This record gives sequence, structure tokens and C-alpha cells, in this order.
Amino acid sequence: GAVVSQHPSWVICKSGTSVKIECRSLDFQATTMFWYRQFPKQSLMLMATSNEGSKATYEQGVEKDKFLINHASLTLSTLTVTSAHPEDSSFYICSASKGAYTEAFFGQGTRLTVV
Amino acid sequence: AQKITQTQPGMFVQEKEAVTLDCTYDTSDPSYGLFWYKQPSSGEMIFLIYQGSYDQQNATEGRYSLNFQKARKSANLVISASQLGDSAMYFCAMRGHNYGQNFVFGPGTRLSVLP
Repeated sequence: GAVVSQHPSWVICKSGTSVKIECRSLDFQATTMFWYRQFPKQSLMLMATSNEGSKATYEQGVEKDKFLINHASLTLSTLTVTSAHPEDSSFYICSASKGAYTEAFFGQGTRLTVV
Repeated sequence: AQKITQTQPGMFVQEKEAVTLDCTYDTSDPSYGLFWYKQPSSGEMIFLIYQGSYDQQNATEGRYSLNFQKARKSANLVISASQLGDSAMYFCAMRGHNYGQNFVFGPGTRLSVLP
């Protein structure tokens, strides 16, 4: 099967600090990785799409300087929430796709709480 | 633009009965894929089933089947012999081939299986 590992599964941080979330495809090479944010009882909101070796494409309204995405290899993408504030508290989830027309496999998600 | 509609915010079904979760979509992309994901309370997104827009037959995966009606732009998920573990949020999603390969998710349907 295709496994995507996301770490950490939960994190609590102080306001003003930065938090890095990792997303790894364990048994396949991911040409594209997606980062989503999910508010309680709502659907997934796409934040950005990243392709290995190129800059991420951010959705409208998502601050590039606040949510830094790096896709350094075909198996790893990271999301860094910089200078986190309480309103950044949310469930962040990544997904990875093997190819252009295939399903995406999701990580376990990261619950971020900024205090 | 692409859009997914799931008109049932919540559904109840008796254990061992079958249930249909509705999904309609809108796209101008001639080629696309339709997906269903399950999200239990733990938060992870579990891929269930995929239907390609040019597939002649409806997709099936174990107890899951997809009732694909292309002319009506609907892709309903049918779960047969419901189990208590099927209680979760279910998201219908679409991935076009010409819109940056992004997934578009519906608002979701919360399924509760009653003993």
C-alpha cells in the first residue's frame, strides 16, 4: 500500500514561535504533495500544492511568508508555521500523490494548538 | 471551476443495512477522477474508492461501490452491510486533469451506524 507519515501528530506551542510539520511518503515517490487545513466540522481547505524541486503554489488568501512549504525531495515535504498565533490553531493534514491522475494518500494530520 | 456538492450533512443507518451517500459534481474538464475518502474521529483521511470519468463500469472495492452517472454528474457512494466502524465523515472529491491536479473536496456527510 501507499503510506504517508505526518509528524508530529499534535503540537502545542507558544505564540510567536515557529512550528515545523513533516510529511513523508514512505513507500512511494510523491510527485505532488498537498497541504490542507481543516476547521472543526468542516471540509478540507487546500492551502498549497508543492512539486518536488519547485516553489509551492499557494491558494488565494494563504500567506506565503507565514506558511512556508519546502518540498526538498520526492518523499518529503515540510510546512513551517512561522510566528504562530492562536488563530493558527487548527488541524493540518498533508497528502501525497504518485502521479497526475491518481488518488492521494493522506498523513495522519497534525493538531496545532498555539497558546 | 470545479465544485463538489454533498447535500446530506448527516445520515443514519441501521447496522447491516446498506446506505447511499450522495455526491454531485460540476466541472468543465473533459477528463477527471472521482474519489471517496473516510475520516473517522481520529482525523486521518482514508482512501476508499476511485472512479475515472472514462471508466465504463462502476468502481467497487469490497463493501464500497460507486454509482457513477456521468450524464447526471453524480458519483454516489454505496456502503453495503454497514458496520459500527463505518461511522465517520465521508468526503467526495474530484481531481481534474487540467486544473493543476488539485483535489476539490465536498463538505462531507457524517454517517452514524446504529446498533
